[in-house]
Amino acid sequence: DAKTTQPNSMESNEEEPVHLPCNHSTISGTDYIHWYRQLPSQGPEYVIHGLTSNVNNRMASLAIAEDRKSSTLILHRATLRDAAVYYCIRFWNTDKLIFGTGTRLQVFP
Amino acid sequence: DVKVTQSSRYLVKRTGEKVFLECVQDMDHENMFWYRQDPGLGLRLIYFSYDVKMKEKGDIPEGYSVSREKKERFSLILESASTNQTSMYLCASWEDSTEAFFGQGTRLTVV
Repeated sequence: DAKTTQPNSMESNEEEPVHLPCNHSTISGTDYIHWYRQLPSQGPEYVIHGLTSNVNNRMASLAIAEDRKSSTLILHRATLRDAAVYYCIRFWNTDKLIFGTGTRLQVFP
Repeated sequence: DVKVTQSSRYLVKRTGEKVFLECVQDMDHENMFWYRQDPGLGLRLIYFSYDVKMKEKGDIPEGYSVSREKKERFSLILESASTNQTSMYLCASWEDSTEAFFGQGTRLTVV
């Protein structure tokens, strides 16, 4: 199965770090791990992606396990604007983006 | 800064009508995709295209068709709209394994 596994929901307080986990135990060696987020009433937007090593950008960090069977999206300081559904996705087989149901992140002031 | 544009944000159509949802991207991407999003079911892939005049079925193609006559435009067609096709429709495009770009979505209501 190409889908990844994520918790349905998580909560955080503003200004605190958030670690969003994802399991992708059937990943193959050439599959990239992508993270997207969807704000209310908008289309998904790209957050970050990686293959083997950890990645950083202005939005977040991505930590990929050594065996690549799991990864963690890290938001270093959550803000109210980070409240969204976060999707962890692997590019699979014919290069399709297959979405799971994602993690709904709530951020409290 | 517009990258993927869907022709309508909201549409209301009658059962049995033929419905066209249009998507245009300005990044010269070869890959374009149509998804629908329903509460509790997430995003499900309807159809995708890797090149002009090429199309592939996704996970839920029944009741839909697509057209890709030009590289920048990918149309989703509901041949005879039904109430169970009421949904949010999202178009996306990308190149290789890099960032994917999504449109704002079209919320279609079939009455």
